[in-house]
Amino acid sequence: GPKVLQIPSHQIIDMGQMVTLNCDPVSNHLYFYWYKQILGQQMEFLVNFYNGKVMEKSKLFKDQFSVERPDGSYFTLKIQPTALEDSAVYFCASSLGLGGHTQYFGPGTRLLVL
Amino acid sequence: SQWGEENLQALSIQEGEDVTMNCSYKTYTTVVHWYRQDSGRGPALIILIRSNEREKRSGRLRATLDTSSQSSSLSITAAQCEDTAVYFCATEFNYAQGLTFGLGTRVSVFP
Repeated sequence: GPKVLQIPSHQIIDMGQMVTLNCDPVSNHLYFYWYKQILGQQMEFLVNFYNGKVMEKSKLFKDQFSVERPDGSYFTLKIQPTALEDSAVYFCASSLGLGGHTQYFGPGTRLLVL
Repeated sequence: SQWGEENLQALSIQEGEDVTMNCSYKTYTTVVHWYRQDSGRGPALIILIRSNEREKRSGRLRATLDTSSQSSSLSITAAQCEDTAVYFCATEFNYAQGLTFGLGTRVSVFP
């Protein structure tokens, strides 16, 4: 089936540094998402993105977070500066539409902030 | 049930047995997604049931949806070892807000 790729698979950084997580969504998809999963807890929605703009963001999407997809390249999540509580697995997803369309998830980026 | 303050549920069964997991949600949704997540991987959709459907089947999977009680279930018939995974239900409270996931049910199938 359609595949979403995420780079890197793991990232370890010091608190206060900037990190950029990269997502290569399914090629013809229009909607892009980031989710956060802390070990043993439920997956939580962060943000979704369409037509170059943020559509909706949750309360977890702090001011230190930003997303973009310049010119159809990677869909990125940037955290600047990072905090200890940002340690989690971040999943990117993409879908062709909203409302019952399948969201295809990438394998996740495991972020550890020290 | 996957919602609320419960910890991740865990079920262990033997190959060939049937298993059912339940999910209750808090707000209106037009569709319930059921995903499975294998260790170290992202969730993958296995079945999607819409509010105008009471039951949906896909191979050995069967999902039900009761909008009046705001609950859904996923059953696996004749489970196999490869069904071992964490299963999540997810709903769409509004289209723009992405999916809201439950806590998940860890299913372990032993030979």
